[in-house]
Amino acid sequence: QVQLQESGPGLVKPSGTLSLTCAVSGDSISSPNWWSWIRQPPGKGLEWIGEIFHRGSTNYNPSLKSRVAISVDKSKNQFSLKLTSMTAADTAVYYCARKGGLITMIGGTFINAFDIWGQGTVVTVSS
Amino acid sequence: DIQMTQSPSSLSVSVGDRVTITCRASQNISSYLNWYQQKPGKGPKFLIYAASSLQSGIPSRFSGSGSGTDFTLTINSLQPEDFATYSCQQSYSTPWTFGQGTKVEIK
Repeated sequence: QVQLQESGPGLVKPSGTLSLTCAVSGDSISSPNWWSWIRQPPGKGLEWIGEIFHRGSTNYNPSLKSRVAISVDKSKNQFSLKLTSMTAADTAVYYCARKGGLITMIGGTFINAFDIWGQGTVVTVSS
Repeated sequence: DIQMTQSPSSLSVSVGDRVTITCRASQNISSYLNWYQQKPGKGPKFLIYAASSLQSGIPSRFSGSGSGTDFTLTINSLQPEDFATYSCQQSYSTPWTFGQGTKVEIK
């Protein structure tokens, strides 16, 4: 089955850069899906960070766009997140997820959804 | 951005109860609404798409309804494994946004 696994440092210094990688197994990074990063600050809801298609197209949350870069490595079947100028407000559990397309049986509506998620990695911003 | 508001934030229920969670969008999103279940220490699990379509492998005690701005997730005959946090998410327009979550706890 499809599995996603996040990896990266759990502690980042203020003003530093977060670098996370998501390894994909059971699916090709070149499949017709978008690959996303989503985070959840302590006690808060989920926040979408951005997404990438294997051909390199990206979409970012405007609230983070100036600090975010998502890239894909087809040779390793993985994608990565870089988030610069980290502050305490960036402390969160970071998830990678696959955004797939589905069609409803009634009406044939096409919709996207985050159908596969990694288990998440805790990132703390502290000196 | 489209704001998603869930109610209640938490509820205490017993095994066998029926649970209803509401999600409201700040603008019309048609049926572009998904639901997820999250347990401590794990990534969210995808439950329902397009407001009412059950993802493959999800038990039929889960159901969703609604369109436009108001949506509902219902869990019939709550099972012990259903105690978790449930979140809605709109897939109408970017940035994709989520509700703040509803925690279903054991009474």
